[in-house]
Amino acid sequence: AQKVTQAQTEISVVEKEDVTLDCVYETRDTTYYLFWYKQPPSGELVFLIRRNSFDEQNEISGRYSWNFQKSTSSFNFTITASQVVDSAVYFCALSGTYTDKLIFGTGTRLQVFP
Amino acid sequence: DAGVTQSPTHLIKTRGQQVTLRCSPKSGHDTVSWYQQALGQGPQFIFQYYEEEERQRGNFPDRFSGHQFPNYSSELNVNALLLGDSALYLCASSRRRQSTNEKLFFGSGTQLSVL
Repeated sequence: AQKVTQAQTEISVVEKEDVTLDCVYETRDTTYYLFWYKQPPSGELVFLIRRNSFDEQNEISGRYSWNFQKSTSSFNFTITASQVVDSAVYFCALSGTYTDKLIFGTGTRLQVFP
Repeated sequence: DAGVTQSPTHLIKTRGQQVTLRCSPKSGHDTVSWYQQALGQGPQFIFQYYEEEERQRGNFPDRFSGHQFPNYSSELNVNALLLGDSALYLCASSRRRQSTNEKLFFGSGTQLSVL
């Protein structure tokens, strides 16, 4: 069975601090995809990144970076120099091959205070 | 370029009633998926429609049904509403691919409250 675990329910930081959101996944598929989505108070899920299971290169996009480690089944997300606008719920998700069906974690609520 | 649009934004129903939620996919997208997000939880997959047929289904009872129209828009119907059906219902669209997984674009959802 596929499963995504986000053990951190809520994180609070002060602006300009770095913050890492953890994600651990379980799957028996050899090919799979991992995603991070951001959900602001408006409710819409905003796509942040997609990685496939064959590409373990870490990625950086502006203040965002992702650390994918197959050996520990983890796909962690770091925000550098956090800003108040980063406050949202962040979801890690997993899908298998030939399917768009996403298995979501329970989310981590990030609050960034000025 | 309009994104995924859902209507209505909020809805209040009573137990036993039926409800229909609507979704228009992003321009150029032909596949629509529906998710249910209970308060404090991650979204749960309900089903997916492509070429006007249900292609995949999650662990939801038959009270949940859907439809896709020739213009790719979709409806989610829930019959015999229960209190536990209260949730944010999210629609997501994508382009159908045979080999690679497409990222989903989500709408802002319909908040359904069952009293």
